[in-house]
Amino acid sequence: GDSVTQMEGPVTLSEEAFLTINCTYTATGYPSLFWYVQYPGEGLQLLLKATKADDKGSNKGFEATYRKETTSFHLEKGSVQVSDSAVYFCALSDQGGGFKTIFGAGTRLFVKA
Amino acid sequence: EAGVAQSPRYKIIEKRQSVAFWCNPISGHATLYWYQQILGQGPKLLIQFQNNGVVDDSQLPKDRFSAERLKGVDSTLKIQPAKLEDSAVYLCASSQGLPSTGELFFGEGSRLTVL
Repeated sequence: GDSVTQMEGPVTLSEEAFLTINCTYTATGYPSLFWYVQYPGEGLQLLLKATKADDKGSNKGFEATYRKETTSFHLEKGSVQVSDSAVYFCALSDQGGGFKTIFGAGTRLFVKA
Repeated sequence: EAGVAQSPRYKIIEKRQSVAFWCNPISGHATLYWYQQILGQGPKLLIQFQNNGVVDDSQLPKDRFSAERLKGVDSTLKIQPAKLEDSAVYLCASSQGLPSTGELFFGEGSRLTVL
């Protein structure tokens, strides 16, 4: 069945450092890919998404490119801020999976001032 | 626009007791989801409704979990009897229209502790 694997955390960075959180997926069809973020004390919210190969999703300085050849959707940000401290979830949804959204285990990010 | 509302935010019960969680989705959202998030893991789908019909409940432990969405709006998830391994955050989410590859809107969750 469909699955998502993302790098384990926690990831600890200093402010203005470069961020990469790796995500790879397995799917039977051609899924849409998502990054959700959960800030402390809040619910999950969509950060960005991409619906087909080579699409780049972007929001709030974060980017991720849908790479079909490597089945990956890595999250990047050039310069992190303390306010980016949160848990980041990679997810997929596809028709072959009945449009269920399947989540990775999450990666906790701590950014130090 | 009001978001997804869930209650209670926190619940502590003893094993073998019962508990119910309530969710009110964003107005007009036809699809409603219940997810279970165990500490350190990603959310796992328990059940998906479209209006008041069940689309997918393949991962719902039906011997102890039940869910309903009688009028196609708000929903209740019940656990009876609870086990220690049911300790988790129960997340409700909704989305517009038919099940699709679109965005899910989540509530803040209901944290259950089973002692």
